[in-house]
Amino acid sequence: DGGITQSPKYLFRKEGQNVTLSCEQNLNHDAMYWYRQDPGQGLRLIYYSQIVNDFQKGDIAEGYSVSREKKESFPLTVTSAQKNPTAFYLCASSSGQASNYGYTFGSGTRLTVV
Amino acid sequence: GQQLNQSPQSMFIQEGEDVSMNCTSSSIFNTWLWYKQDPGEGPVLLIALYKAGELTSNGRLTAQFGITRKDSFLNISASIPSDVGIYFCAGQVATDSSYKLIFGSGTRLLVRP
Repeated sequence: DGGITQSPKYLFRKEGQNVTLSCEQNLNHDAMYWYRQDPGQGLRLIYYSQIVNDFQKGDIAEGYSVSREKKESFPLTVTSAQKNPTAFYLCASSSGQASNYGYTFGSGTRLTVV
Repeated sequence: GQQLNQSPQSMFIQEGEDVSMNCTSSSIFNTWLWYKQDPGEGPVLLIALYKAGELTSNGRLTAQFGITRKDSFLNISASIPSDVGIYFCAGQVATDSSYKLIFGSGTRLLVRP
Protein backbone atom coordinates (compact mmCIF):
# COMPACT_ATOMS: atom_id res chain seq x y z
CA ASP A 1 0.00 0.00 0.00
CA GLY A 2 1.22 3.50 -0.79
CA GLY A 3 1.72 5.90 2.03
CA ILE A 4 3.96 8.25 3.93
CA THR A 5 6.02 7.03 6.88
CA GLN A 6 7.55 9.09 9.64
CA SER A 7 10.04 7.73 12.11
CA PRO A 8 10.54 7.52 14.95
CA LYS A 9 7.13 8.05 16.55
CA TYR A 10 8.72 9.43 19.73
CA LEU A 11 12.12 11.08 20.02
CA PHE A 12 13.99 12.49 22.97
CA ARG A 13 16.85 14.92 22.58
CA LYS A 14 19.25 16.51 24.96
CA GLU A 15 19.63 20.25 24.80
CA GLY A 16 22.34 21.32 22.37
CA GLN A 17 22.07 18.24 20.18
CA ASN A 18 20.98 18.05 16.58
CA VAL A 19 18.39 15.42 15.69
CA THR A 20 17.02 14.23 12.34
CA LEU A 21 13.43 13.19 11.72
CA SER A 22 12.76 10.81 8.87
CA CYS A 23 9.98 11.09 6.27
CA GLU A 24 9.60 8.61 3.42
CA GLN A 25 6.79 8.32 0.86
CA ASN A 26 6.06 5.76 -1.85
CA LEU A 27 3.21 7.69 -3.44
CA ASN A 28 5.39 9.05 -6.26
CA HIS A 29 4.54 12.55 -5.05
CA ASP A 30 6.70 15.43 -6.22
CA ALA A 31 6.06 17.80 -3.31
CA MET A 32 6.82 17.25 0.37
CA TYR A 33 6.27 19.42 3.42
CA TRP A 34 7.22 19.67 7.11
CA TYR A 35 4.88 21.17 9.70
CA ARG A 36 5.23 21.85 13.38
CA GLN A 37 2.28 21.55 15.75
CA ASP A 38 2.34 22.78 19.33
CA PRO A 39 -0.26 21.63 21.91
CA GLY A 40 -3.67 23.04 21.11
CA GLN A 41 -2.29 24.87 18.10
CA GLY A 42 -2.60 24.65 14.34
CA LEU A 43 -0.03 23.64 11.74
CA ARG A 44 2.93 25.87 10.99
CA LEU A 45 4.97 25.30 7.83
CA ILE A 46 8.71 24.78 8.38
CA TYR A 47 10.05 23.82 4.95
CA TYR A 48 8.67 22.48 1.70
CA SER A 49 10.08 20.96 -1.45
CA GLN A 50 8.35 20.85 -4.81
CA ILE A 51 11.06 18.90 -6.63
CA VAL A 52 14.20 16.91 -5.92
CA ASN A 53 17.26 18.98 -4.97
CA ASP A 54 15.14 22.06 -4.31
CA PHE A 55 13.37 23.32 -1.20
CA GLN A 56 11.99 26.56 0.23
CA LYS A 57 11.64 28.02 3.70
CA GLY A 58 8.22 28.11 5.24
CA ASP A 59 6.98 30.40 7.98
CA ILE A 60 9.20 29.10 10.82
CA ALA A 61 12.39 27.76 9.19
CA GLU A 62 14.88 29.18 11.70
CA GLY A 63 16.69 26.43 13.58
CA TYR A 64 15.74 23.73 11.07
CA SER A 65 17.36 22.30 7.95
CA VAL A 66 16.21 19.87 5.26
CA SER A 67 17.50 18.01 2.22
CA ARG A 68 15.76 16.47 -0.79
CA GLU A 69 18.26 14.19 -2.46
CA LYS A 70 15.64 11.63 -3.43
CA LYS A 71 12.03 12.01 -4.47
CA GLU A 72 10.93 9.59 -1.75
CA SER A 73 12.72 11.19 1.17
CA PHE A 74 12.59 14.57 2.92
CA PRO A 75 14.44 14.42 6.28
CA LEU A 76 14.19 17.29 8.74
CA THR A 77 17.07 18.19 11.07
CA VAL A 78 16.24 20.08 14.22
CA THR A 79 19.43 21.91 15.11
CA SER A 80 20.69 23.22 18.41
CA ALA A 81 19.80 26.71 17.15
CA GLN A 82 16.08 25.88 17.53
CA LYS A 83 15.33 27.33 20.96
CA ASN A 84 12.06 25.54 21.63
CA PRO A 85 12.09 22.29 19.69
CA THR A 86 9.62 20.28 21.78
CA ALA A 87 6.62 19.78 19.50
CA PHE A 88 4.73 17.35 17.27
CA TYR A 89 6.21 17.27 13.76
CA LEU A 90 4.16 16.30 10.73
CA CYS A 91 5.40 15.45 7.26
CA ALA A 92 3.11 15.58 4.23
CA SER A 93 3.31 14.98 0.51
CA SER A 94 1.26 15.90 -2.54
CA SER A 95 1.32 15.38 -6.27
CA GLY A 96 2.34 19.00 -6.68
CA GLN A 97 -0.57 19.59 -9.00
CA ALA A 98 -4.00 20.97 -8.31
CA SER A 99 -5.41 17.53 -7.65
CA ASN A 100 -8.38 16.13 -5.86
CA TYR A 101 -6.45 14.82 -2.91
CA GLY A 102 -4.72 17.69 -1.14
CA TYR A 103 -1.93 16.53 1.14
CA THR A 104 -1.30 13.08 2.54
CA PHE A 105 0.10 13.29 6.07
CA GLY A 106 2.35 10.95 8.02
CA SER A 107 1.45 9.92 11.56
CA GLY A 108 3.89 12.39 13.10
CA THR A 109 6.96 12.41 15.34
CA ARG A 110 6.73 13.77 18.86
CA LEU A 111 10.03 15.39 19.81
CA THR A 112 10.81 16.13 23.43
CA VAL A 113 13.89 17.95 24.68
CA VAL A 114 15.11 16.65 28.01
CA GLY B 1 0.02 36.75 3.82
CA GLN B 2 -3.08 34.68 3.29
CA GLN B 3 -4.78 33.54 6.47
CA LEU B 4 -7.77 31.45 7.36
CA ASN B 5 -9.87 32.32 10.39
CA GLN B 6 -11.40 29.15 11.77
CA SER B 7 -14.07 29.10 14.46
CA PRO B 8 -14.95 28.08 17.00
CA GLN B 9 -11.58 27.26 18.55
CA SER B 10 -13.11 24.43 20.58
CA MET B 11 -16.46 22.78 21.19
CA PHE B 12 -17.66 20.47 23.96
CA ILE B 13 -20.95 18.86 23.02
CA GLN B 14 -23.28 16.06 24.04
CA GLU B 15 -23.33 12.88 21.98
CA GLY B 16 -26.10 13.10 19.39
CA GLU B 17 -25.87 16.84 18.90
CA ASP B 18 -25.09 18.46 15.58
CA VAL B 19 -21.88 20.44 15.14
CA SER B 20 -21.02 23.35 12.87
CA MET B 21 -17.67 25.01 12.27
CA ASN B 22 -16.47 27.44 9.64
CA CYS B 23 -13.52 29.13 8.02
CA THR B 24 -13.31 32.57 6.50
CA SER B 25 -10.63 34.46 4.66
CA SER B 26 -10.07 37.78 2.95
CA SER B 27 -8.52 35.83 0.06
CA ILE B 28 -10.16 33.76 -2.65
CA PHE B 29 -9.39 30.05 -2.81
CA ASN B 30 -10.01 27.66 -5.68
CA THR B 31 -10.28 24.59 -3.48
CA TRP B 32 -11.34 24.09 0.12
CA LEU B 33 -10.43 21.00 2.10
CA TRP B 34 -11.48 19.74 5.51
CA TYR B 35 -9.21 17.45 7.56
CA LYS B 36 -9.62 15.62 10.86
CA GLN B 37 -6.73 14.89 13.20
CA ASP B 38 -7.11 12.15 15.79
CA PRO B 39 -5.02 12.56 18.95
CA GLY B 40 -1.36 11.75 18.28
CA GLU B 41 -1.89 11.16 14.56
CA GLY B 42 -1.61 13.07 11.31
CA PRO B 43 -4.61 14.82 9.71
CA VAL B 44 -6.77 12.81 7.34
CA LEU B 45 -8.76 14.31 4.48
CA LEU B 46 -12.53 14.31 5.06
CA ILE B 47 -14.01 16.37 2.26
CA ALA B 48 -12.70 18.35 -0.71
CA LEU B 49 -14.65 21.17 -2.41
CA TYR B 50 -13.80 22.47 -5.86
CA LYS B 51 -16.53 24.87 -7.00
CA ALA B 52 -18.11 27.93 -5.44
CA GLY B 53 -21.47 27.04 -3.94
CA GLU B 54 -20.68 23.31 -3.95
CA LEU B 55 -22.30 21.29 -1.17
CA THR B 56 -20.76 17.88 -0.52
CA SER B 57 -21.60 15.15 1.97
CA ASN B 58 -19.57 12.27 3.34
CA GLY B 59 -21.74 10.21 5.66
CA ARG B 60 -22.72 12.42 8.61
CA LEU B 61 -20.44 15.21 7.37
CA THR B 62 -21.57 18.01 5.09
CA ALA B 63 -19.36 20.82 3.81
CA GLN B 64 -20.00 23.80 1.59
CA PHE B 65 -17.75 26.01 -0.51
CA GLY B 66 -18.95 29.59 -0.07
CA ILE B 67 -20.29 31.41 -3.10
CA THR B 68 -17.71 34.17 -2.69
CA ARG B 69 -14.92 31.53 -2.53
CA LYS B 70 -13.72 33.12 0.71
CA ASP B 71 -15.39 30.82 3.20
CA SER B 72 -16.46 27.26 3.93
CA PHE B 73 -18.35 25.44 6.65
CA LEU B 74 -18.40 21.87 7.93
CA ASN B 75 -21.38 20.31 9.68
CA ILE B 76 -21.39 17.02 11.59
CA SER B 77 -24.79 15.55 12.33
CA ALA B 78 -25.65 13.29 15.27
CA SER B 79 -22.16 13.38 16.80
CA ILE B 80 -20.62 10.23 18.28
CA PRO B 81 -17.61 9.80 20.61
CA SER B 82 -15.26 8.89 17.76
CA ASP B 83 -15.83 12.35 16.25
CA VAL B 84 -13.43 13.66 18.91
CA GLY B 85 -10.38 15.33 17.39
CA ILE B 86 -9.17 18.52 15.76
CA TYR B 87 -10.79 19.63 12.52
CA PHE B 88 -8.78 21.78 10.12
CA CYS B 89 -9.94 23.71 7.10
CA ALA B 90 -7.45 24.36 4.31
CA GLY B 91 -7.51 26.55 1.24
CA GLN B 92 -5.47 25.78 -1.83
CA VAL B 93 -3.36 28.48 -3.47
CA ALA B 94 -1.12 28.39 -6.50
CA THR B 95 2.63 28.88 -6.16
CA ASP B 96 5.13 29.59 -8.93
CA SER B 97 5.22 26.02 -10.16
CA SER B 98 2.79 24.14 -7.99
CA TYR B 99 0.28 24.74 -5.24
CA LYS B 100 0.19 24.67 -1.46
CA LEU B 101 -2.38 24.59 1.30
CA ILE B 102 -3.06 27.30 3.86
CA PHE B 103 -4.44 25.78 7.07
CA GLY B 104 -6.84 27.21 9.61
CA SER B 105 -5.93 27.05 13.29
CA GLY B 106 -8.26 24.13 13.95
CA THR B 107 -11.45 23.41 15.89
CA ARG B 108 -11.02 21.00 18.80
CA LEU B 109 -14.13 18.86 19.24
CA LEU B 110 -14.91 16.98 22.44
CA VAL B 111 -18.00 14.75 22.66
CA ARG B 112 -19.58 13.86 25.97
CA PRO B 113 -21.12 10.35 25.91
